[in-house]
Amino acid sequence: KAGVTQTPRYLIKTRGQQVTLSCSPISGHRSVSWYQQTPGQGLQFLFEYFSETQRNKGNFPGRFSGRQFSNSRSEMNVSTLELGDSALYLCASSPPLGGHTDTQYFGPGTRLTVL
Amino acid sequence: DQQVKQNSPSLSVQEGRISILNCDYTNSMFDYFLWYKKYPAEGPTFLISISSIKDKNEDGRFTVFLNKSAKHLSLHIVPSQPGDSAVYFCAASAGISSGSARQLTFGSGTQLTVLP
Repeated sequence: KAGVTQTPRYLIKTRGQQVTLSCSPISGHRSVSWYQQTPGQGLQFLFEYFSETQRNKGNFPGRFSGRQFSNSRSEMNVSTLELGDSALYLCASSPPLGGHTDTQYFGPGTRLTVL
Repeated sequence: DQQVKQNSPSLSVQEGRISILNCDYTNSMFDYFLWYKKYPAEGPTFLISISSIKDKNEDGRFTVFLNKSAKHLSLHIVPSQPGDSAVYFCAASAGISSGSARQLTFGSGTQLTVLP
């Protein structure tokens, strides 16, 4: 079974631009979560989508948004990029059964650099 | 405030010996705990998990221990192998009354180096 895939793997943008990252979950998984990893803050939860609905959101500004499609693929968007948005953005998918005890499986991440 | 803490940023162990990685948490609502391993430029790889109704879970060379009263968990790797060298993250999850939403809170990670 193919794992979680994320595109692109690397991205360079300048301040003020916007960016869209894509995540394809493991086949059959319906929950997709996004995390940001930075050296200073570690791994932080951004949001979770399930059946095309945002079910939970972390403590990030409104510039960070996402959506999920009917095939469970997800995108996250960051508008008006700031230097501090430079990070590794990780997507994780979970099986459809159960709840918060389902294991999350991570993709390789998208490395975003904001200049 | 860090709800999940890994106080040791690094740990070096000789090949064949036991590696013990520690994690403390403060949120008493956490009831599910996981350990992930991460190599540079890759996403975290799931290793092992434990529910708060248990105090031990084993999977091959990996064993996780949970001490709820102390709000402490540890990951034991026996025997340690050079390929185990990576950053290990502890993560915790709480049941959320609004549904089955999934949100992991991670520790800051411990770099394990297994010396040949």
